[in-house]
Amino acid sequence: DVKVTQSSRYLVKRTGEKVFLECVQDMDHENMFWYRQDPGLGLRLIYFSYDVKMKEKGDIPEGYSVSREKKERFSLILESASTNQTSMYLCAALSGTSGRGYQETQYFGPGTRLLVL
Amino acid sequence: GNSVTQMEGPVTLSEEAFLTINCTYTATGYPSLFWYVQYPGEGLQLLLKATKADDKGSNKGFEATYRKETTSFHLEKGSVQVSDSAVYFCALSATGNKLTFGTGTQLKVEL
Repeated sequence: DVKVTQSSRYLVKRTGEKVFLECVQDMDHENMFWYRQDPGLGLRLIYFSYDVKMKEKGDIPEGYSVSREKKERFSLILESASTNQTSMYLCAALSGTSGRGYQETQYFGPGTRLLVL
Repeated sequence: GNSVTQMEGPVTLSEEAFLTINCTYTATGYPSLFWYVQYPGEGLQLLLKATKADDKGSNKGFEATYRKETTSFHLEKGSVQVSDSAVYFCALSATGNKLTFGTGTQLKVEL
């Protein structure tokens, strides 16, 4: 069974702190994604990666960066946390080997609920 | 750009009632369409999908048909259960393997 895990389910941080959210997948998938989920806004893509050390900005990258040093791990970094980054963060993985990734299923982790005070 | 519009919730139904959650989309090209479900305290999981026009996706009693002429992918279930209470997201993927989501519809099923 496929598995995407996220390092924390709940996290409380102070404004200005540097925050690391970790995501690990065991499916050997090329593509990984970070979304944030907010009420009334659905899920919005922050960053994605289609290979090791490769990254692309999504729709709302401001205030975030990412790191993908190994295929199975994709980290989201909040350089200086702010209260408007309080949200649910979801990681996902997608196989890219078929060449038809737009038809494939994205597998999601359980989410990290981040509160920035 | 791509966008997905789905009906706002919450939708509250009695057990065994018929469910419809409307979803329409705007996209260039020929997108794939998905319904994802999020149970309380969990991440999203795929419920069903359709990758070309007139395809019907189905799973766990839920169905949705890809209607290109009306740009719609409405979710239906003939008889809902309390265990179906969750948030349902309609989504599309057109290029670049990225998903565009609707805002989600919360479903509450009562006894």
